[in-house]
Amino acid sequence: GAVVSQHPSWVICKSGTSVKIECRSLDFQATTMFWYRQFPKQSLMLMATSNEGSKATYEQGVEKDKFLINHASLTLSTLTVTSAHPEDSSFYICSARYRENTEAFFGQGTRLTVV
Amino acid sequence: AQSVTQLGSHVSVSEGALVLLRCNYSSSVPPYLFWYVQYPNQGLQLLLKYTTGATLVKGINGFEAEFKKSETSFHLTKPSAHMSDAAEYFCAVSDTGGFKTIFGAGTRLFVKA
Repeated sequence: GAVVSQHPSWVICKSGTSVKIECRSLDFQATTMFWYRQFPKQSLMLMATSNEGSKATYEQGVEKDKFLINHASLTLSTLTVTSAHPEDSSFYICSARYRENTEAFFGQGTRLTVV
Repeated sequence: AQSVTQLGSHVSVSEGALVLLRCNYSSSVPPYLFWYVQYPNQGLQLLLKYTTGATLVKGINGFEAEFKKSETSFHLTKPSAHMSDAAEYFCAVSDTGGFKTIFGAGTRLFVKA
């Protein structure tokens, strides 16, 4: 199957700083990428959907100014957590698909810890 | 709108016993249905999926699931549990366009020796 890679796998940052997470589709062009957040022992919650070359669509309750999403190319989307705080600590997972009517493939996730 | 309900946040079975993880969905359009497995601090791995065609779907690691439209269910089974099956399992649904994938709350499977 198709491979989606996230980087970094884990990151620790200081409160107030920003951190960028990358999501890459390694062997296909991803027209759409999705970003999820997973709190401990909970399910995945969709944060936003990004289409290459256009602005991301955020789910209700997700602060777009805090979670900046860029999908500048067909193989790369980035999620930047700005002015991170301890409550932003979570597991962030991306997924990507190359066209409609196909499944999305998931990255391995990024564990963010804000101290 | 679509939704997924997984019955039982925790399921415990003995090694060698049948594994049954329940999933019911709600969808206004023909759904795509998925089961994913997640090991601690890792991403999701697709176990199996139903899109169209045969309603009994076989996946990796000996798992299978049956799409029952009349019951709006997509339960996951494995005839004989192995210790390595201990993980979190998520049922998910998306519309036929695959626009959004909605996940259930997850079921943690424990396998006893």
